[in-house]
Amino acid sequence: EVRLLESGGGFVQPGGSLRLSCAASGFTFSSYALSWVRQAPGKGLEWVSVISGSGGSTYYADSVKGRFTISRDNSKNTLYMQMKSLRAEDTAVYHCARCSSSTTCYLRFDYWGQGTLVTVSS
Amino acid sequence: QTVVTQEPSFSVSPGGTVTLTCGLSSGSVSTSYYPSWYQQTPGQTPRTLIYSTNTRSSGVPDRFSGSILGNKAALTIAGAQADDESDYYCVLYMGSGISVFGGGTKLTVL
Repeated sequence: EVRLLESGGGFVQPGGSLRLSCAASGFTFSSYALSWVRQAPGKGLEWVSVISGSGGSTYYADSVKGRFTISRDNSKNTLYMQMKSLRAEDTAVYHCARCSSSTTCYLRFDYWGQGTLVTVSS
Repeated sequence: QTVVTQEPSFSVSPGGTVTLTCGLSSGSVSTSYYPSWYQQTPGQTPRTLIYSTNTRSSGVPDRFSGSILGNKAALTIAGAQADDESDYYCVLYMGSGISVFGGGTKLTVL
């Protein structure tokens, strides 16, 4: 059974940093690209970033480019998101999602974690 | 980045048919955008309904179908049921690794 379990969310002041993790199990981790998708309270879904299965390719939404860094450790079956210079508008539940290919999520997000809440406020 | 447009809300009668659409702020949606559709009920993670324009995900009833209608991607729900009342999101692949979600459509069945 595919499982994705996010952690690392919490309360942070504007300008602060946070690192999210997503522990995966139930599939060959390095064979799949992984994404972060966020959802602000009461709002829609927003794609944030994707990393290829090898970790060699990363892509970002304009809203987070230069502030967020996605990475993965294929030896630990874990996905990460380092978030810097956080803003109030980054407040959201952050889900990790498995892509159905090894390169990007061009086809679909086929499994989702329950998410971890990040709150940016003074 | 390009904006992906969806109707904010829609209503359908039980047993009725509804078509939700997914467009671009500039340009036309084609199969090259690999449109996909997700259903999300409150407090739940999204569920894939349709991917690659019209491929139904495993376990999705055949009353859900995807297509290109004119210059938009479309999700048609035939024989709407009460538990179809959900938020529906489309996603378009823009190339270069970039995926963009639409704003979502809140579907009411009444």
